[in-house]
Amino acid sequence: KQEVTQIPAALSVPEGENLVLNCSFTDSAIYNLQWFRQDPGKGLTSLLLIQSSQREQTSGRLNASLDKSSGRSTLYIAASQPGDSATYLCAVGEADTGNQFYFGTGTSLTVIP
Amino acid sequence: SAVISQKPSRDICQRGTSLTIQCQVDSQVTMMFWYRQQPGQSLTLIATANQGSEATYESGFVIDKFPISRPNLTFSTLTVSNMSPEDSSIYLCSVDRDRGDTQYFGPGTRLTVL
Repeated sequence: KQEVTQIPAALSVPEGENLVLNCSFTDSAIYNLQWFRQDPGKGLTSLLLIQSSQREQTSGRLNASLDKSSGRSTLYIAASQPGDSATYLCAVGEADTGNQFYFGTGTSLTVIP
Repeated sequence: SAVISQKPSRDICQRGTSLTIQCQVDSQVTMMFWYRQQPGQSLTLIATANQGSEATYESGFVIDKFPISRPNLTFSTLTVSNMSPEDSSIYLCSVDRDRGDTQYFGPGTRLTVL
């Protein structure tokens, strides 16, 4: 069974800093990988989706990379803002199980004004 | 994209009772998913609901405890039966338009069982 780990569990940075969130997975036979943002009391918002054939995806200040062979993905946030404060979840879609996604436990990010 | 609503947004229930959670999507989708997020934990898939067929449950989840209905292509319900405090979680509905596509999530239902 796929195991997804996110490090660190919590992160606090001053506004304006660049930061990297890490995600690792145990089975490299993935279909895709998705980064989500979860705000307190709200559902999940998709940030970036990387297909297994891709190495990275960018959206605004966000850049996600994927290295399947090493079982790793990173989410890079440039010039962080207080509005970026949320929990960030990594989810791996497995190749053999259709639409099954395995989620990491998340990184709780606080950006201090 | 897809806009998903869930009802109720939160509820506090007594042990032994049942709660039915509704999920409504703004457009037709083939597959709908139900997830559970226990306090401090990651999301775990409960089951996949296809319209016109029985839901497919993941290991550790059974139909008697979590019966699911999928009467049409825009709606699904999840019932949490005979609840205990261990069922206190956030329950989330999600959809995607095609395999490998972005998954869209509802706002979740926060359930507390006393």
